Amino acid sequence: NAGVMQNPRHLVRRRGQEARLRCSPMKGHSHVYWYRQLPEEGLKFMVYLQKENIIDESGMPKERFSAEFPKEGPSILRIQQVVRGDSAAYFCASSPKGTALPEQYFGPGTRLTVT
Amino acid sequence: DQQVKQNSPSLSVQEGRISILNCDYTNSMFDYFLWYKKYPAEGPTFLISISSIKDKNEDGRFTVFLNKSAKHLSLHIVPSQPGDSAVYFCAAVKPPGATNKLIFGTGTLLAVQP
Repeated sequence: NAGVMQNPRHLVRRRGQEARLRCSPMKGHSHVYWYRQLPEEGLKFMVYLQKENIIDESGMPKERFSAEFPKEGPSILRIQQVVRGDSAAYFCASSPKGTALPEQYFGPGTRLTVT
Repeated sequence: DQQVKQNSPSLSVQEGRISILNCDYTNSMFDYFLWYKKYPAEGPTFLISISSIKDKNEDGRFTVFLNKSAKHLSLHIVPSQPGDSAVYFCAAVKPPGATNKLIFGTGTLLAVQP
């Protein structure tokens, strides 16, 4: 009974490169959330997706960030032209029924370091 | 604008005693609250939740209390164990809408001393 899977666990990128973070939700879950945790801060909501749909992207920076959750395959959080301020832990969470149950189950996170 | 606040960055407790972690919120529209535990280099793990129609929810050693008039909730762990040492986050969910996005506090680092 695999939990939420994220890869890579650690990612190092130089300024200006692209970062791609992947998330596979728990089996049977079709709702995915992405959160970012900056150093010494709590987790901040970024985006909520269902299969092939972005439902709420109110926490996403307006530029350079995008997310998708295709019909087949994992959800992807893409950061173009990374800057040092993007260095953070990015967590993906999934839930079984979306709005019915607020509980979300988190993956281990991807730690992005921008050099 | 920090809508969910955990004013104690850290807490140290002796093994076997009670740990009480506190959380305050500012938005009276929040209707569901959750506690997560997080170890270093891992993702948050769901612990316990409470709906705003209740004032208490209990699960084993963990009890969450909600005081809506004070916009305050607390997590009680009794008895505390060394394995409970972690960062604890409270989170809130606000209707209306269909997103259930979680709004997190900044966390409290609990250290349980053997």
